[in-house]
Amino acid sequence: AQSVTQLDSQVPVFEEAPVELRCNYSSSVSVYLFWYVQYPNQGLQLLLKYLSGSTLVKGINGFEAEFNKSQTSFHLRKPSVHISDTAEYFCAVGGSARQLTFGSGTQLTVLP
Amino acid sequence: GAGVSQSPSNKVTEKGKDVELRCDPISGHTALYWYRQSLGQGLEFLIYFQGNSAPDKSGLPSDRFSAERTGGSVSTLTIQRTQQEDSAVYLCASSPDRRGNTIYFGEGSWLTVV
Repeated sequence: AQSVTQLDSQVPVFEEAPVELRCNYSSSVSVYLFWYVQYPNQGLQLLLKYLSGSTLVKGINGFEAEFNKSQTSFHLRKPSVHISDTAEYFCAVGGSARQLTFGSGTQLTVLP
Repeated sequence: GAGVSQSPSNKVTEKGKDVELRCDPISGHTALYWYRQSLGQGLEFLIYFQGNSAPDKSGLPSDRFSAERTGGSVSTLTIQRTQQEDSAVYLCASSPDRRGNTIYFGEGSWLTVV
């Protein structure tokens, strides 16, 4: 079985400040890890993914995430956020089953 | 089209009616998934297709829910005798590989049962 925990349901941050969205997972087998973003009234868009190799993964829109196996974490970071980054962000884990298991989501609100 | 296409984008139906939601995956994608996103429940997996067969339908919440896929392409999710708790966004996704390493989502079908 696999599960994902996103500890922060809401993260407000000022424009141009750095942000970290936390994600912890549990799985009994090797995992693939994903971050998706959902803008209002839209579907899910893949931000980045970790399948293997380098633990630091760079994605679209300046986001990056680091896979930490010992801490079972895959936190998402951006050094300087924009108003347009306001959205809901979902961490997901795959691998032991073909479907993804999603976290409950983190609403990122960027304030002017 | 270039992405996963879902229809209808919005559907309001009366309790007890049947609804059909359609998904057109990205051309050539062999794997197709249905998820449900509802308030307070997050994203729930419903069913997975590989080609026309569904090796995993463990997420379907009741026997009122069914899905099929034909020609290795279009899929239809059917909800019979809809209930208010069925109100949610139904998201379809497709993937070019069996392991689901990269899954692309559609915009969703917003279902409201009144």
